[in-house]
Amino acid sequence: QQQVKQSPQSLIVQKGGISIINCAYENTAFDYFPWYQQFPGKGPALLIAIRPDVSEKKEGRFTISFNKSAKQFSLHIMDSQPGDSATYFCAASIQGGSEKLVFGKGTKLTVNP
Amino acid sequence: NAGVMQNPRHLVRRRGQEARLRCSPMKGHSHVYWYRQLPEEGLKFMVYLQKENIIDESGMPKERFSAEFPKEGPSILRIQQVVRGDSAAYFCASSRGGETQYFGPGTRLLVL
Repeated sequence: QQQVKQSPQSLIVQKGGISIINCAYENTAFDYFPWYQQFPGKGPALLIAIRPDVSEKKEGRFTISFNKSAKQFSLHIMDSQPGDSATYFCAASIQGGSEKLVFGKGTKLTVNP
Repeated sequence: NAGVMQNPRHLVRRRGQEARLRCSPMKGHSHVYWYRQLPEEGLKFMVYLQKENIIDESGMPKERFSAEFPKEGPSILRIQQVVRGDSAAYFCASSRGGETQYFGPGTRLLVL
């Protein structure tokens, strides 16, 4: 049973545009929601994370929006650049337990110049 | 400050051989996690260890797979009698506990 559903599977955006990736979760016990960026042949790198007591978090061009009642969260990349082309994964975990991350299947983002 | 280190980066094994993957956590981190990534898939949790203890192995296959994190030295993920379906990227992550997990570069295992 997939506990974190991510969409779209792939996304093509023009340089300067906004990239939006969505995730939905099922387990209401999740209380930590990070986003990771992965380039080919590399390990995932933490981009930004949010906890459910906050509805939005912004770091530079990256923003997480969180909707607790809908059990959804999304990543917005403003002014997308070709260097942002990578695979993005949302994840969720329960802090205080084993804290294992449950990942979405990923979104392959391509930003055209 | 060195990040999470994994070796080897690439490993080729024939069916039936053993694969041994090593992970050195970031300095000051005593929590280690192993994840497996199949092609075009997200990462799947395998096991969570603290020094000398397995905390959560709910994602580990019941047979052929084992993990350890000894008092001294790196964490080891061992796969015995590998099969083609074990071909994947294996990532290790570390944390201080209750905080962000930082991932290593991964070991790409290819079983011939």
